[in-house]
Amino acid sequence: DSGVTQTPKHLITATGQRVTLRCSPRSGDLSVYWYQQSLDQGLQFLIQYYNGEERAKGNILERFSAQQFPDLHSELNLSSLELGDSALYFCASSAAGGATNEKLFFGSGTQLSVL
Amino acid sequence: AQSVAQPEDQVNVAEGNPLTVKCTYSVSGNPYLFWYVQYPNRGLQFLLKYITGDNLVKGSYGFEAEFNKSQTSFHLKKPSALVSDSALYFCAVRDTYKYIFGTGTRLKVLA
Repeated sequence: DSGVTQTPKHLITATGQRVTLRCSPRSGDLSVYWYQQSLDQGLQFLIQYYNGEERAKGNILERFSAQQFPDLHSELNLSSLELGDSALYFCASSAAGGATNEKLFFGSGTQLSVL
Repeated sequence: AQSVAQPEDQVNVAEGNPLTVKCTYSVSGNPYLFWYVQYPNRGLQFLLKYITGDNLVKGSYGFEAEFNKSQTSFHLKKPSALVSDSALYFCAVRDTYKYIFGTGTRLKVLA
C-alpha cells in the first residue's frame, strides 16, 4: 500500500458530463501530481501542486482543472467529457517538490469510462 | 525538454535468465533518472533512481540499472528473472517540477 488514496476506483459516465476525481496524498506529503494513462499515449503528466500552489502544468486540456486544498488532498475536475477522455487517471505524491529528485508514491488510479 | 525513450514495447525472457529493459534519455544538464514498475490493476511502484555517483544503481526486488553517459542509456537489469517480475516497466526523468515517463515496456517472464 503506497499510502495514496484515490476515489472512486471506477467511474462510468456519458459524453458531455462532468466528473471529479479525488486524491489523498501520503501523510506528510506536500506535493500531488496527476497523470493520465491511456493505451495510445502512455503516461501523460497533467499537473502538479505543492502545498496548495500550482507548480507545473503539462498538456492538460482546458476542460480539465485541478486544485489542492488546505488539508492537501487534491481534486481533478473533468468537464464536457469526450470519448477520448476514457483513461486511467493516477495521482502521485511526494514529500516536497519535483526539484528534489524524490520518488513518487502512486495511488491505484481511477478508471474513467466515457460512453 | 527532457525525455526518455523505451524502444521495446515488450520483452520476453525465460525464467532464470538475465533480463534487460532498455531506456535512453535526452536531457540538458545532469540527468535524474528513475525506474518504476506497474503490476496489473495497481499504481506504479518505485524501483530505483540515479542522481549522481556510481553508474550501477541497485534497487528493489533484485533489480539494478546501469547508467551510461556516453550512450545516454539507463537500462534496467536483473541477473535471474522470475515469473513474478512480469509487469509493465517505466523509465522516467525529472524535468524541473515534473517527471516525464517513457511509453513503458511490458516484460513477460516465461516459466
